[in-house]
Amino acid sequence: EVQLVESGGGIVQPGGSLRLSCAVSGFTFSNYWMHWVRQAPGKGLEWVSRINTYDSFTGYADSVKGRFTISRDNAKNTLYLQMNSLRDEDTAVYYCARDANYGSDPFDYWGQGTLVTVSS
Amino acid sequence: DIQMTQSPSSLSASVGDTVTITCRASQSIGNSLNWYQQKPGKGPKFLIYGASSLRNGVPLRFSGSGSETEFTLTISSLQPEDFATYFCHQTYSTVPYTFGQGTKLEIK
Repeated sequence: EVQLVESGGGIVQPGGSLRLSCAVSGFTFSNYWMHWVRQAPGKGLEWVSRINTYDSFTGYADSVKGRFTISRDNAKNTLYLQMNSLRDEDTAVYYCARDANYGSDPFDYWGQGTLVTVSS
Repeated sequence: DIQMTQSPSSLSASVGDTVTITCRASQSIGNSLNWYQQKPGKGPKFLIYGASSLRNGVPLRFSGSGSETEFTLTISSLQPEDFATYFCHQTYSTVPYTFGQGTKLEIK
């Protein structure tokens, strides 16, 4: 069974840092691109970042570029999101998602999310 | 960036009804359009890819259609478990990938 479990969320002050993790199981992690998607309270989905299979090709939304860094450890089956210089508007539930790597490349599996609250 | 606009934003219907949700892209995206269902407190669940291909295991009452800039998700014979929020998602132009704002389907 494919599982994605996020952790590392919490309350942080503006300007602070946080590192999110996404532990995966049930599939060969190193074969798949991965994504982070966030959802502010009561709002829609916003794509944040993606990474290719071997940590060599990444992409970011303009809203987080230069502040967030995506990475992965294929030996540990874990995806990461290092978030620095956090702002109030980064408050959201953060989901990791797997890129299906077929068809229109939907995000075929998602975690349950971890809540990040940026507040003084 | 490609903007995705869903309509309506919310919808009330009864068990057994058929409903249609529309998603429009700000430019042509071919058939690179996916649909997801989300229930409160849960991560999204992938339903449809390539505008019209059903994920394995998704009930046949769900169907998708469209191409280029206009797409629809139709749910026939609504079941109680179908009341949720639905999002469209384009993967034609990446970085950024973009989602529609969501359509909340509520029980009448």
